[in-house]
Amino acid sequence: AQTVTQSQPEMSVQEAETVTLSCTYDTSESDYYLFWYKQPPSRQMILVIRQEAYKQQNATENRFSVNFQKAAKSFSLKISDSQLGDAAMYFCASPIEGGSEKLVFGKGMKLTVNP
Amino acid sequence: EAQVTQNPRYLITVTGKKLTVTCSQNMNHEYMSWYRQDPGLGLRQIYYSMNVEVTDKGDVPEGYKVSRKEKRNFPLILESPSPNQTSLYFCASSGPGLAGAYEQYFGPGTRLTVT
Repeated sequence: AQTVTQSQPEMSVQEAETVTLSCTYDTSESDYYLFWYKQPPSRQMILVIRQEAYKQQNATENRFSVNFQKAAKSFSLKISDSQLGDAAMYFCASPIEGGSEKLVFGKGMKLTVNP
Repeated sequence: EAQVTQNPRYLITVTGKKLTVTCSQNMNHEYMSWYRQDPGLGLRQIYYSMNVEVTDKGDVPEGYKVSRKEKRNFPLILESPSPNQTSLYFCASSGPGLAGAYEQYFGPGTRLTVT
């Protein structure tokens, strides 16, 4: 079975500092997207960033960026200038074998931002 | 506004009383899916549908039914709910987002408690 592993269940960061959330995955797909989702206390699942596996360049969305290591099947999320509103659960997701629309999610990581 | 809606948002019921959680999307997506979220387990897929009248089991289908008679609707049915089905449920639909990447759009979640 395809797996997505988020090894750290919880992390904390000081406001304005940088934090990196790790994720590794296992897929046999050759061309795929990877996703990070944020789940704030409202419980809504919000797409943070996506990475196209065939692109060498790491994706960036404002303060959020990815460190994508395709050979290592690693997909880390870096949050720069952390803000109180970044406090949430974060999930990474990878497609499973058989189609890019069917995703497998990691177990999530709870990020606390300290003022 | 592109969205996935779920109803009800909160539900408390008793063991054995049949219930249905509705899900609807207005993005003309072919792929729809149900997940349950439990602490420490992340999101696990219950059922998914590739198109109208095409449904298949996910990772945790036991105790659930689905139907896909129309493209926009994908209800989740619990014929005889049990306490172990107490969970947070998400409906999602998948389609091309920005730059053509397939990404999952989530509903707001349904908090189900079975006593």
